[in-house]
Amino acid sequence: KAGVTQTPRYLIKTRGQQVTLSCSPISGHRSVSWYQQTPGQGLQFLFEYFSETQRNKGNFPGRFSGRQFSNSRSEMNVSTLELGDSALYLCASSLAFSIVEDTQYFGPGTRLTVL
Amino acid sequence: AQSVAQPEDQVNVAEGNPLTVKCTYSVSGNPYLFWYVQYPNRGLQFLLKYITGDNLVKGSYGFEAEFNKSQTSFHLKKPSALVSDSALYFCAVRDVEDSSYKLIFGSGTRLLVRP
Repeated sequence: KAGVTQTPRYLIKTRGQQVTLSCSPISGHRSVSWYQQTPGQGLQFLFEYFSETQRNKGNFPGRFSGRQFSNSRSEMNVSTLELGDSALYLCASSLAFSIVEDTQYFGPGTRLTVL
Repeated sequence: AQSVAQPEDQVNVAEGNPLTVKCTYSVSGNPYLFWYVQYPNRGLQFLLKYITGDNLVKGSYGFEAEFNKSQTSFHLKKPSALVSDSALYFCAVRDVEDSSYKLIFGSGTRLLVRP
C-alpha cells in the first residue's frame, strides 16, 4: 500500500506570494492533519480535516488555510508569505476509526523556502 | 493541557550498546503516547505507541518503550544500537481533550551511534 504522498517536495517563493501544498493520504484513510516543523518551534499542529470538514485548528494566523476533498486528498494554502513561514510542512493521515487507537502516518514533507 | 518533554537534546552511544531516549509526559486523563523517528530530509516514521495494556511496548526496528505511570515516563529503548539508528527521535502525546488526532510533540532528541 502506498504511503502518504506530498507534492511538491521543494518550493522556493518570495515574500508576499502565496503557496498551495498538496497531500494524498494512504488509501482508505479519511483524516488528514498538517504540521509545521521549524528548528526554532519544532513540530506544531496546523489543522486537521475529516469528511471535508476542519475538525481542529492550531494557533496559526488566518493566512494559513486548508481544505479536504471528497476523496480525502487535502491541500493547505499560505497567503502573503513571510520569511518565518520557511519550514518543512508535514501531512499525516489516519483511518479515522478511533481517536484513541489510530496511528498517524506521515508523508515526506514539503520543504518551503521563503526568500 | 497535554505536553511531553524530552530532556536530552542529544544522546551518544556506541554501536552494540543499549540505548535509551527519555520522554516524560503531562496529561489530564489517560495518556496515549507515540514515538516517531525522522531521518534527514524525510518525514516522520512511526515506531510504536502506548494506548493501554502492557507497560512494555514493542515496535519497529527492534525498538521498545517502557510506560511508567508513577514516573509519568515513556522512554524509548533498544538492546543493541546500530549506526543506522542515528536519527532524530520524537515523543508525542495525543491531545484527546480536543477530540481530534492532534499530536503534541516533544522537542526531539538526536541519537548518534558511533561505530
